[in-house]
Amino acid sequence: DTEVTQTPKHLVMGMTNKKSLKCEQHMGHRAMYWYKQKAKKPPELMFVYSYEKLSINESVPSRFSPECPNSSLLNLHLHALQPEDSALYLCASSQFLAGVAGELFFGEGSRLTVL
Amino acid sequence: QQQVKQSPQSLIVQKGGISIINCAYENTAFDYFPWYQQFPGKGPALLIAIRPDVSEKKEGRFTISFNKSAKQFSLHIMDSQPGDSATYFCAASFGSEKLVFGKGTKLTVNP
Repeated sequence: DTEVTQTPKHLVMGMTNKKSLKCEQHMGHRAMYWYKQKAKKPPELMFVYSYEKLSINESVPSRFSPECPNSSLLNLHLHALQPEDSALYLCASSQFLAGVAGELFFGEGSRLTVL
Repeated sequence: QQQVKQSPQSLIVQKGGISIINCAYENTAFDYFPWYQQFPGKGPALLIAIRPDVSEKKEGRFTISFNKSAKQFSLHIMDSQPGDSATYFCAASFGSEKLVFGKGTKLTVNP
């Protein structure tokens, strides 16, 4: 069983909706990540938090808004998304930022469909 | 420079056979080379990783072979099982740079 928990597992939203994806880890990791994965493609980095501070934003559109309330939680707020934003959104954590490398522990993902 | 080229895109192997997936990189600064395994509907999970100071690392049926001069590394799965059917991603990184993933290989092991 994964130690990174993501909710919801599935989300369907309209282009005018506001929704949030949630991620939680209890491994004491200090770095947390959001990735986007399209079908048959590798994960694509969106955001990195280190010690609850945003350290990397991969030029993601502002309709995606990350939030790290504490060292165990990571949220991704969604607003005014487009159909092309439909994808699997993966949360991951690692012990330290460690050069954004080292072992990443991924959650099972939230499957997002934008209508 | 930042790319990791992975081949083949898909691979079909018979049960008990050897599965081999290859990756090549250009950036000689890369110093960490992990392989991730992803089952349908799941997130990727670290399978095995290597650093360039060794040429081979083995964990059970899984072996990474690393050729620094050729800038290539490969994953060998011995005695492949139907349960190994998944998508495999090689990756590379260095320093504070992000993990660069290969495009993935879908492995199917027939019973």
